Amino acid sequence: NAGVTQTPKFRVLKTGQSMTLLCAQDMNHEYMYWYRQDPGMGLRLIHYSVGEGTTAKGEVPDGYNVSRLKKQNFLLGLESAAPSQTSVYFCASHREAETQYFGPGTRLLVL
Amino acid sequence: AQSVAQPEDQVNVAEGNPLTVKCTYSVSGNPYLFWYVQYPNRGLQFLLKYITGDNLVKGSYGFEAEFNKSQTSFHLKKPSALVSDSALYFCAVRDINDYKLSFGAGTTVTVRA
Repeated sequence: NAGVTQTPKFRVLKTGQSMTLLCAQDMNHEYMYWYRQDPGMGLRLIHYSVGEGTTAKGEVPDGYNVSRLKKQNFLLGLESAAPSQTSVYFCASHREAETQYFGPGTRLLVL
Repeated sequence: AQSVAQPEDQVNVAEGNPLTVKCTYSVSGNPYLFWYVQYPNRGLQFLLKYITGDNLVKGSYGFEAEFNKSQTSFHLKKPSALVSDSALYFCAVRDINDYKLSFGAGTTVTVRA
């Protein structure tokens, strides 16, 4: 099992550009999450999904959109990147009532 | 609502000494509690969790944590710290009726040789 993988590992964007972050898991997990990590703030939940075709807003959803067309993939989109979205983004997944497992992260720099 | 507080931004200990990382939580119902560790430029790795049962939970790499319901705490401990334990540690909580985790701000542990 590859576990939870994230693509890309690092990206630099200019303000106003768009991009999509891909999270993939091969563990048949129902639940998937996108977090952002900023210094001194821990991890904050952006969006999450409780199954294929479903998504919901987390704590800090503004400026982001998500899609879960396939059970194994959870995409995070930035339609018009802003410097405030400079962060490290983590994806996580789990089965019902089990521990969340995290991907290696994507570092995003918005200039 | 649920939340986690990690009152110390940094913990510094000498190798071989005991290590404690503090965590307090708030949930409306019964808690599920977790500790994760993050090494530089890596994702979060699961260390241990409390679901129910024995208040002392043992996890990976010699770490353990004690659940104290009256003090709403879940402190992480290791009897003898190693330099390789230097990392960022996160405490997290969720209500048993929910699946979303809330994380603390993290505690940076530095173990000096």
